[in-house]
Amino acid sequence: EIVLTQSPGTLSLSPGERATVSCRASPTLINRNFLAWYQQKPGQAPRLLIYGASNRATGIPDRFSGSGSGTDFTLTISRLEPEDFAVYYCQQYSSSVVYTFGQGTKLEIK
Amino acid sequence: QVRLQESGPGLVEASQTLSLTCNVSGGSIRRGDYHWSWIRQPPGQGLEWIGYTHYSGSGNYNPSLRSRATVSLDTSKSQFSLQLTSVTAADSAVYYCASLVVIDGSFGWFDPWGQGTLVTVS
Repeated sequence: EIVLTQSPGTLSLSPGERATVSCRASPTLINRNFLAWYQQKPGQAPRLLIYGASNRATGIPDRFSGSGSGTDFTLTISRLEPEDFAVYYCQQYSSSVVYTFGQGTKLEIK
Repeated sequence: QVRLQESGPGLVEASQTLSLTCNVSGGSIRRGDYHWSWIRQPPGQGLEWIGYTHYSGSGNYNPSLRSRATVSLDTSKSQFSLQLTSVTAADSAVYYCASLVVIDGSFGWFDPWGQGTLVTVS
């Protein structure tokens, strides 16, 4: 099973600041860019933000970007808007034995 | 645009079988690029993939739940279902149905998702 470890667990920032969330895969993803990012707000289902490590899903603002390959991946929000404060999850689909998610990163208002 | 909606009892007795249904609208349940999936999230915790099925009859399950979970399809009703047997309190969670996308023959990400339904095991 591929384990995804996200850091930090909680990120406290102000609107307008830049947010960076990390996701580390162990072992390394054989399909090196098979990683997605989701946003989840309280009481809502997760929403797809990024697939293929760096491709924005339909309707996702360009302030969201993804990067990385193999082991280390990053989700960046360039300038935080009030609606961006939520929990973010990474998910790997390199292994079809079991699809796994990171434990989540809570982005909170400072 | 495909939309998904879960339904089922919110309370299940321990040792019984949890049964949920996901209604698919806005698109065909027979589309080849979607594998119909279930994912769960215990209160305040992370996400766990349960399993998927496809109209071709193929399917796959999380090894940790394979012995208890069954995902099935009813094309006539445009619905797919989850049955989880011998439930315990540890199975209490919000259960989401979602589409597992297939791109160029490879499995991908989950999109879209249903709104989720809370199931409590008493």
